[in-house]
Amino acid sequence: DTAVSQTPKYLVTQMGNDKSIKCEQNLGHDTMYWYKQDSKKFLKIMFSYNNKELIINETVPNRFSPKSPDKAHLNLHINSLELGDSAVYFCASSLSPYEQYFGPGTRLTVT
Amino acid sequence: GQQVMQIPQYQHVQEGEDFTTYCNSSTTLSNIQWYKQRPGGHPVFLIQLVKSGEVKKQKRLTFQFGEAKKNSSLHITATQTTDVGTYFCAGPGTDQAGTALIFGKGTTLSVSS
Repeated sequence: DTAVSQTPKYLVTQMGNDKSIKCEQNLGHDTMYWYKQDSKKFLKIMFSYNNKELIINETVPNRFSPKSPDKAHLNLHINSLELGDSAVYFCASSLSPYEQYFGPGTRLTVT
Repeated sequence: GQQVMQIPQYQHVQEGEDFTTYCNSSTTLSNIQWYKQRPGGHPVFLIQLVKSGEVKKQKRLTFQFGEAKKNSSLHITATQTTDVGTYFCAGPGTDQAGTALIFGKGTTLSVSS
């Protein structure tokens, strides 16, 4: 059974479009995260949700909005995509504050 | 803001040689975690260190947490081709819940046989 799953695995889209990435975890964890990994492999936290409440929101553009319908899901919606949004986006979950389990990643390419 | 620095950025070794990556934080950490990311893969948790001066071993991997809890290292003895990947250290962020991780930029290890 996949612990943390993300869809889609690849996403190619044009500038200006709106897209969503879905994430689900079946570990019963109480906190979920979104990270962005750039071309230099730098991993940066974007959002964190704990029991459906946003508890951190790093300095990301407000074009990015996390949505959590329940404790097992944390989706990422991106409006008006820009070239600089191209990256790999990882969802993760944890039973805070312990180790985090990452999903397989979504490679977003904006053309 | 809080920073976690990691060196070297890249390291190439011959199979059988040892490898070490170093991690330094600008602030005292309550704990430090290490992750490994294989090429094309996702970060996978390796270990968490909590105590000052702590040393933990996992087979050929040795992890250390500094006495001041501001630095850490990962040492691999007699590298194998399966050790290839990027190794990240991460410390808890300064958010109120302390759940966010601040990652170092990683050390990418390549091993030739």
